[in-house]
Amino acid sequence: AQSVAQPEDQVNVAEGNPLTVKCTYSVSGNPYLFWYVQYPNRGLQFLLKYITGDNLVKGSYGFEAEFNKSQTSFHLKKPSALVSDSALYFCAVRDIAGGYQKVTFGTGTKLQVIP
Amino acid sequence: DGGITQSPKYLFRKEGQNVTLSCEQNLNHDAMYWYRQDPGQGLRLIYYSQIVNDFQKGDIAEGYSVSREKKESFPLTVTSAQKNPTAFYLCASSKGITDTQYFGPGTRLTVL
Repeated sequence: AQSVAQPEDQVNVAEGNPLTVKCTYSVSGNPYLFWYVQYPNRGLQFLLKYITGDNLVKGSYGFEAEFNKSQTSFHLKKPSALVSDSALYFCAVRDIAGGYQKVTFGTGTKLQVIP
Repeated sequence: DGGITQSPKYLFRKEGQNVTLSCEQNLNHDAMYWYRQDPGQGLRLIYYSQIVNDFQKGDIAEGYSVSREKKESFPLTVTSAQKNPTAFYLCASSKGITDTQYFGPGTRLTVL
């Protein structure tokens, strides 16, 4: 069975500092991994994805994520945090079960960027 | 949220009533999904559909029903059998099996 874990409920970082939001996964085959961001009372917005290729994936709003197969991780990073980055971040993994696609989302990490 | 609309934005229901949440997409996507989001929890999959006239139960399908008669539409009915329906409901769609899911703005359902 596939699963995804976000070990931190909340991450606090000072504006201008680098940020990392952690994600680990477990799948039976090759993982398709995603990061989404959610602002209050809104739907999720896509940030980036990894399917194959370069382990460092660049996405929207200056975010990037590093795929690490040996550690089964897909941490989200940004070199310099902005106050506007404060939001809820979800990691997701896609797998195929019984011939149908299925996506499992993590429980989310609240990012608080402090001015 | 582009290309996917959900209505209404807020919905109030009395206990014992069925209610239907609308989800429409103009992205020509084959796959559509319904998720439920509760405070402090992640998204949980209710139902999904890969093609018209086909859908599969997700992790928490009990008390919910769906239909997929048109490619553009995937309505979700919350029945009176759903014991705790108050939540934020999100609809999503994707082009294909490895493609990104795009989300609607959500419907907040409150049972009075």
